[in-house]
Amino acid sequence: GAGVSQSPSNKVTEKGKDVELRCDPISGHTALYWYRQSLGQGLEFLIYFQGNSAPDKSGLPSDRFSAERTGGSVSTLTIQRTQQEDSAVYLCASSIDTGTDTQYFGPGTRLTVL
Amino acid sequence: SQQGEEDPQALSIQEGENATMNCSYKTSINNLQWYRQNSGRGLVHLILIRSNEREKHSGRLRVTLDTSKKSSSLLITASRAADTASYFCARQNSGNTPLVFGKGTRLSVIA
Repeated sequence: GAGVSQSPSNKVTEKGKDVELRCDPISGHTALYWYRQSLGQGLEFLIYFQGNSAPDKSGLPSDRFSAERTGGSVSTLTIQRTQQEDSAVYLCASSIDTGTDTQYFGPGTRLTVL
Repeated sequence: SQQGEEDPQALSIQEGENATMNCSYKTSINNLQWYRQNSGRGLVHLILIRSNEREKHSGRLRVTLDTSKKSSSLLITASRAADTASYFCARQNSGNTPLVFGKGTRLSVIA
């Protein structure tokens, strides 16, 4: 079946612009996660959606970052007034809510802020 | 930091040799997972080991977990050039919660 998909695969923007990154999770997966990976680093958790519960936003680095998940499926991560330090690969993952725990990752969006 | 620590940071071996990567963490866990990443993009899930398990195998991969030492190791036997990638351990405190990743080990397998 189809895996997690993300778009765009690459995004180059100018400092101060807003960007939207999209994630399509695996159909039927109720949990969705956003992570960020800066160059040469491990993954940093950003935000987590689980079913209809309020999202866990504890990893968002600033109020310029926000995310929503519509209809329990597609999610959009929005970064307002981008800064150069926002440059990173943004990875989305989903998992099925049966306690399996395995998270399946998308290919990521490489964001470059000039 | 709550991140795990992997060592070594980089490992270079000849094809056919075994590669061992280690991961340590500081807090209690529900499970620990190993992922592979090629070319800095998508992660591929390799193995999940639960806190009540000590060892798991999958093909040429062997993962051990020592909860008393808060450490795990990933062994790749008979390595191949295609195993060249970055390997990350990630701990999970409970089911369907965010993973906490280490910084990874960059493995180079030379043909």
